[in-house]
Amino acid sequence: DQQVKQNSPSLSVQEGRISILNCDYTNSMFDYFLWYKKYPAEGPTFLISISSIKDKNEDGRFTVFLNKSAKHLSLHIVPSQPGDSAVYFCAASDEQNSGGSNYKLTFGKGTLLTVNP
Amino acid sequence: DSGVTQTPKHLITATGQRVTLRCSPRSGDLSVYWYQQSLDQGLQFLIQYYNGEERAKGNILERFSAQQFPDLHSELNLSSLELGDSALYFCASSSRQVQGYTFGSGTRLTVV
Repeated sequence: DQQVKQNSPSLSVQEGRISILNCDYTNSMFDYFLWYKKYPAEGPTFLISISSIKDKNEDGRFTVFLNKSAKHLSLHIVPSQPGDSAVYFCAASDEQNSGGSNYKLTFGKGTLLTVNP
Repeated sequence: DSGVTQTPKHLITATGQRVTLRCSPRSGDLSVYWYQQSLDQGLQFLIQYYNGEERAKGNILERFSAQQFPDLHSELNLSSLELGDSALYFCASSSRQVQGYTFGSGTRLTVV
C-alpha cells in the first residue's frame, strides 16, 4: 500500500516558467511533509518542508502548498532554472506519534523534472 | 558534505558473492536508515536502526542483513547477490533535533 504517491513520473518545463510537482497521501496521521531533491549519482538533499498546521511555506523560489482536506501537497518552483532539473521526492511523517527512535519518513517514487533552456 | 559518509562509492561484484556496505551517520545522530533505489524505482525503505537496535523493517530480502555498532556506524550485508540487486544503496541518519533525514551520497552496486 503506497501511502505517498507521486503520480507524475516526469515533468518538463521551459526555463523561467513555473514547475508544479504534485504529491498525494492516504495516511491521515501524517502531519509533517518534506520535499527532497536528487541529482544523479548523489544522495537526496532536503529542499523544503511544511507542518500540517500550515497550508503554505515559502523559501525563495520554492513554495510548498498543503491541502489537508484533499490530502494533497504541491511544490511550486518559480521561476524554473535548468539547474533545477533533478528528481524530486515527496516524503511524509507521522511526527506526533513517531518522534525519537520511531521517527520514519515515507517517500513517494519521485518525479523527474527537466527544465529546458 | 552532508555529514553522512558511505563507503565504497562504487562496487562491482559477481553473482553469488557477498558484499558489505558501510555508513557513518552524521555526528550525534542515533538513527540510521538504509534505502535501495533501483532503476525507475523510488526510494525503497530497507531497514532502520536506532542506537544499535533494529527499529523498523521494510522490503528487505532475507539475503540482506544489517547492524549498527556501538560507535553508531552501520553496515548493510548483501549476500548471494543476484543481477537484480544492482542498485544505488543510500544510508540516511536523523536526530530528534532536526526533522527529516540527511542522506549519504550512496553506494552504487553493480552485480555482473
